Amino acid sequence: GQQLNQSPQSMFIQEGEDVSMNCTSSSIFNTWLWYKQDPGEGPVLLIALYKAGELTSNGRLTAQFGITRKDSFLNISASIPSDVGIYFCAGPLDYNTDKLIFGTGTRLQVFP
Amino acid sequence: DGGITQSPKYLFRKEGQNVTLSCEQNLNHDAMYWYRQDPGQGLRLIYYSQIVNDFQKGDIAEGYSVSREKKESFPLTVTSAQKNPTAFYLCASSIDERRTYGYTFGSGTRLTVV
Repeated sequence: GQQLNQSPQSMFIQEGEDVSMNCTSSSIFNTWLWYKQDPGEGPVLLIALYKAGELTSNGRLTAQFGITRKDSFLNISASIPSDVGIYFCAGPLDYNTDKLIFGTGTRLQVFP
Repeated sequence: DGGITQSPKYLFRKEGQNVTLSCEQNLNHDAMYWYRQDPGQGLRLIYYSQIVNDFQKGDIAEGYSVSREKKESFPLTVTSAQKNPTAFYLCASSIDERRTYGYTFGSGTRLTVV
């Protein structure tokens, strides 16, 4: 089945550093979603983007809807240990439903 | 508080056995989904249901079955036909209008074949 490509696959960073990750698709999306999954738990929605070029923040997190509508970016500023987890992008498979496809995930490790 | 509950958290299955994973939501969401998560492969859709008594196969439905007899409940059965069932299973629900609001996920069930 179709999947979104995320990069990098994993990141190991020092506490306080900024983080950037991205997600690309071969097809155009009208919505981009970013989720975070803590170890052993279900993903939780962080940010939703609905318009090309849109830039949205949620605390230290900032996400952007790419102009081409085929990509999206997530930045985390001044990382802290609780940022550890897997970050997924997602987008609707079908314009008429809420059925989503998910990226392959970026695994983030933060060292004190 | 509204939410989505999966049980059990951990499940062990012997070869050749069927097992059923529970998923219940009290969010009054119409749509419910089952995903499988393996390391490095993201989330893959098994089955989804947009309305009671109706469900559709996802990308990896072989070896799985579901039912949707009530709006609140969407149990998943992993049958003996599933060749590699060891994985983390996630249930989700959504409002399912023509605009994506995103899913609410349960906390998952980790299934291990012993």
